[in-house]
Amino acid sequence: AQRVTQPEKLLSVFKGAPVELKCNYSYSGSPELFWYVQYSRQRLQLLLRHISRESIKGFTADLNKGETSFHLKKPFAQEEDSAMYYCALSGKAGNTGKLIFGQGTTLQVKP
Amino acid sequence: GEEVAQTPKHLVRGEGQKAKLYCAPIKGHSYVFWYQQVLKNEFKFLISFQNENVFDETGMPKERFSAKCLPNSPCSLEIQATKLEDSAVYFCASSQRNVGDYGYTFGSGTRLTVV
Repeated sequence: AQRVTQPEKLLSVFKGAPVELKCNYSYSGSPELFWYVQYSRQRLQLLLRHISRESIKGFTADLNKGETSFHLKKPFAQEEDSAMYYCALSGKAGNTGKLIFGQGTTLQVKP
Repeated sequence: GEEVAQTPKHLVRGEGQKAKLYCAPIKGHSYVFWYQQVLKNEFKFLISFQNENVFDETGMPKERFSAKCLPNSPCSLEIQATKLEDSAVYFCASSQRNVGDYGYTFGSGTRLTVV
């Protein structure tokens, strides 16, 4: 079954500390993975796609097929990074565009 | 426009009443998706459209829920005879092509409260 798991509901760090938001997935084929972010009172927006291998706002995420993970990392957290983060998966085979979301992790960056 | 526009922002219905939600995708986007988020938990996929055709409806409850995307009109999601458990935020998203290339652009959601 296709599934995305974000084990932490809340991650609280101090400004300047490294951040790692965990995401594990279960998918039998070749997945496409995404991170979405929702800042307070704003709409959900795309942060990263694994296929583009980009760094956005200092965040990176590497797909590890062996560990079936797609953890989101940032070396130095900023207060403006405080938001809700969702990991999501889309299957390539028979892709209908449907995304499967994890439960979300709230990142709280304290001053 | 460059935003996915969802209306209304908030909707309150008594149990048993009908609820109708609207979504205007970004111009030029062929795909529209509806998701339900209950109590800030996971997003549950409901249905997707490719232009006016249903693309994937595997998440739609068989009863009470229906959706349409007609040419030159906003897409709509309708819930007949609402129940308390339908209380949720309903998100619409649109995509230009295959989601793997671009991801989605989400609307700000419609908060449905059934009382």
